[in-house]
Amino acid sequence: AQSVTQLDSQVPVFEEAPVELRCNYSSSVSVYLFWYVQYPNQGLQLLLKYLSGSTLVKGINGFEAEFNKSQTSFHLRKPSVHISDTAEYFCAVSEASGTYKYIFGTGTRLKVLA
Amino acid sequence: GAVVSQHPSWVICKSGTSVKIECRSLDFQATTMFWYRQFPKQSLMLMATSNEGSKATYEQGVEKDKFLINHASLTLSTLTVTSAHPEDSSFYICSANLAGGTGELFFGEGSRLTVL
Repeated sequence: AQSVTQLDSQVPVFEEAPVELRCNYSSSVSVYLFWYVQYPNQGLQLLLKYLSGSTLVKGINGFEAEFNKSQTSFHLRKPSVHISDTAEYFCAVSEASGTYKYIFGTGTRLKVLA
Repeated sequence: GAVVSQHPSWVICKSGTSVKIECRSLDFQATTMFWYRQFPKQSLMLMATSNEGSKATYEQGVEKDKFLINHASLTLSTLTVTSAHPEDSSFYICSANLAGGTGELFFGEGSRLTVL
């Protein structure tokens, strides 16, 4: 079974500052990893995904994440945030066997301050 | 890209009534659809997995008689909350995988259910 830990429930950051949202996972098998963003009363929008290949993954809206197998981490980064990045961010893991059964982290609320 | 649509986006109902939420894959066929429930300021909890033409597989603790799931075609799955009560009020989100796809799920916009 897999599990996902997002240690930071809230991350306040000033506009144009860099940010890192942390995600650690646990699994006995190979995994796929995802980051999603959720705006209030909306569904999930995929930011980026790691399926295989390069461990540095670039996504939409200037976000990127690095898969670190030895540290079982998949932290999300953005070099310069905007007010519009204020949202809830979820890390998710699924087995690489293709079951599509996602396990979500508890989410990190990113609040960008002017 | 692959689009998943849910309807309705918002629904308010009286306690004791049943509510149906639809999840459609608009431009692809989805062999499997997933239903999630999200409480305010919390994460998504998987409720059930539905495969086209077969019975849904429910996660532990989810009442199958309360949350009826039907997956009658490769593009439509429905979630019916039967005899709804205020504690069933929540945000319900569906997702679907692309048949023959690469492990990525596509999510609907969510449906907010409020039971009075």
